[in-house]
Amino acid sequence: DTEVTQTPKHLVMGMTNKKSLKCEQHMGHRAMYWYKQKAKKPPELMFVYSYEKLSINESVPSRFSPECPNSSLLNLHLHALQPEDSALYLCASSQEPKRSYEQYFGPGTRLTVT
Amino acid sequence: GQNIDQPTEMTATEGAIVQINCTYQTSGFNGLFWYQQHAGEAPTFLSYNVLDGLEEKGRFSSFLSRSKGYSYLLLKELQMKDSASYLCAVRDRGKLIFGQGTELSVKP
Repeated sequence: DTEVTQTPKHLVMGMTNKKSLKCEQHMGHRAMYWYKQKAKKPPELMFVYSYEKLSINESVPSRFSPECPNSSLLNLHLHALQPEDSALYLCASSQEPKRSYEQYFGPGTRLTVT
Repeated sequence: GQNIDQPTEMTATEGAIVQINCTYQTSGFNGLFWYQQHAGEAPTFLSYNVLDGLEEKGRFSSFLSRSKGYSYLLLKELQMKDSASYLCAVRDRGKLIFGQGTELSVKP
């Protein structure tokens, strides 16, 4: 199983809503990532979890709050977002954080903030 | 600073060969990855180079020269389904830094 799953596929939320994005992998990977991707742009790294601990936060606004409940799950909690936060949010995982293994990406959640 | 450059767009003909170049200047280097991304889909891994030289995988090959900060992705026997964005990414201190992507259009 080389799959990373993400739910929901699409999400529309108002600026006062609270929602969560979910990501799951069962490959035994110990590094998990959140990326944001705008149209016709490359993915931008937001957060890295290494062995379930937050290891990198790319100066992401606090309205985005990541959580790693266990080694297979990664959540991204959203609160008080802005319309410019509308984007494709990609989750990825890789085998070992300290070495260069390829990252496997999930299909993404397309988020629209109204 | 971190800088990864690749052409914005390329066009090629079905059955032909195309080479997509990538140059990089990064603070650190732990390998270079190429990903393919079809519109509206997630990136998929194509190749990885950490040592100088050519890595071949079917119709796809990738080359790296660390001293020149240069890589290329070679696609042979192009098919229509190869129309996609190709992303060059450098691993630097635990992070993948992506180039802007090259949009490849394959025409009949």
